[in-house]
Amino acid sequence: ETGVTQTPRHLVMGMTNKKSLKCEQHLGHNAMYWYKQSAKKPLELMFVYNFKEQTENNSVPSRFSPECPNSSHLFLHLHTLQPEDSALYLCASSYLGQGGEQFFGPGTRLTVL
Amino acid sequence: AQTVTQSQPEMSVQEAETVTLSCTYDTSENNYYLFWYKQPPSRQMILVIRQEAYKQQNATENRFSVNFQKAAKSFSLKISDSQLGDTAMYFCAFGLQGAQKLVFGQGTRLTINP
Repeated sequence: ETGVTQTPRHLVMGMTNKKSLKCEQHLGHNAMYWYKQSAKKPLELMFVYNFKEQTENNSVPSRFSPECPNSSHLFLHLHTLQPEDSALYLCASSYLGQGGEQFFGPGTRLTVL
Repeated sequence: AQTVTQSQPEMSVQEAETVTLSCTYDTSENNYYLFWYKQPPSRQMILVIRQEAYKQQNATENRFSVNFQKAAKSFSLKISDSQLGDTAMYFCAFGLQGAQKLVFGQGTRLTINP
């Protein structure tokens, strides 16, 4: 695998389900990000992790719970989501100090019924 | 706070034509980076081109070039000899030097017609 990978690519869940999104980067980066991409809205940054430590939480509801066990892996745990949480969830990674460029995964298309 | 504005929600051109996507941004900082990202339908978002604010020379990557006007806070993307594979959402993004966050514009949906 190369670059940034995300699984699953598609997920349909009910409002009472618990599921997790996984992201893995194979680029040797030390920062990882979760974004939410909804139709007709700019990308919304959700969480930022540097060296496994969360450095930013953009007022994300607690039904989204991130986890970063190491610099290569990032999870987004989901529980009791709402239909308006349906979106494309993008993971990205970067190397701190390398001029801001972020590398994106293919995303997980989430549908909440 | 920095903002990025892409004023063209959608654009459509014929194959082989040249197209320019506009982007303006607002910042009081002097050291920053600007990016254009491409997101093809159902495919991964990839970096198209990047510009350092301290460089006066406009960045170029093959058929893609930018017109960076720092004083006007404008950063447009020109695609020459457009191809069907250029069909995608294009996002302009701003990042402060030394900071991690990227601020994205709302995107321009570009369609290249055969």
